[in-house]
Amino acid sequence: SQQGEEDPQALSIQEGENATMNCSYKTSINNLQWYRQNSGRGLVHLILIRSNEREKHSGRLRVTLDTSKKSSSLLITASRAADTASYFCATGDQTGANNLFFGTGTRLTVIP
Amino acid sequence: EAGVAQSPRYKIIEKRQSVAFWCNPISGHATLYWYQQILGQGPKLLIQFQNNGVVDDSQLPKDRFSAERLKGVDSTLKIQPAKLEDSAVYLCASLPSGTDTQYFGPGTRLTVL
Repeated sequence: SQQGEEDPQALSIQEGENATMNCSYKTSINNLQWYRQNSGRGLVHLILIRSNEREKHSGRLRVTLDTSKKSSSLLITASRAADTASYFCATGDQTGANNLFFGTGTRLTVIP
Repeated sequence: EAGVAQSPRYKIIEKRQSVAFWCNPISGHATLYWYQQILGQGPKLLIQFQNNGVVDDSQLPKDRFSAERLKGVDSTLKIQPAKLEDSAVYLCASLPSGTDTQYFGPGTRLTVL
């Protein structure tokens, strides 16, 4: 399976703390994306990092990618209660079909 | 810009019944996807359309699932007959040309009793 795995499965932190989630995958990729899913809602794209990139920032988000280890991490700095959601990594394969293979997700709870 | 629209938002049926979901992608997006998301798991791709043609349906259980996108715009996903294990959220996504970022609809939550 090309599906990735996130670690930890669940994370609970206090507001203002940083949250780090990790993703591991199995096959070669074109890109890796992170999505957020609030309870009962669809997925929202957060950030995309290409296979030739090592780090990317977007606001309070920082993503790293290590293709040699087939892993990525998402760091959310200065967390807010509104960041409470499930976070999924998704890998884009190299076939050019733009298909995404999602991981199992990390459930983040930010306590006010 | 309007987002991806899906209906219904919720559906409850009994096993062996049929059900259909509808998706209207963002205007101009040629690529459309259907995903199945079982509770506690990540979304799993069921089928990908490029305009009105199927690009990838390798993960679609074709004995009971079917999907179409006749005019290359909106799409329907059908399950006939439904099984208990089909209980899930069915997500539709669309992709603008030249990018890798998919835009997801709110999903249809299906409960099969």
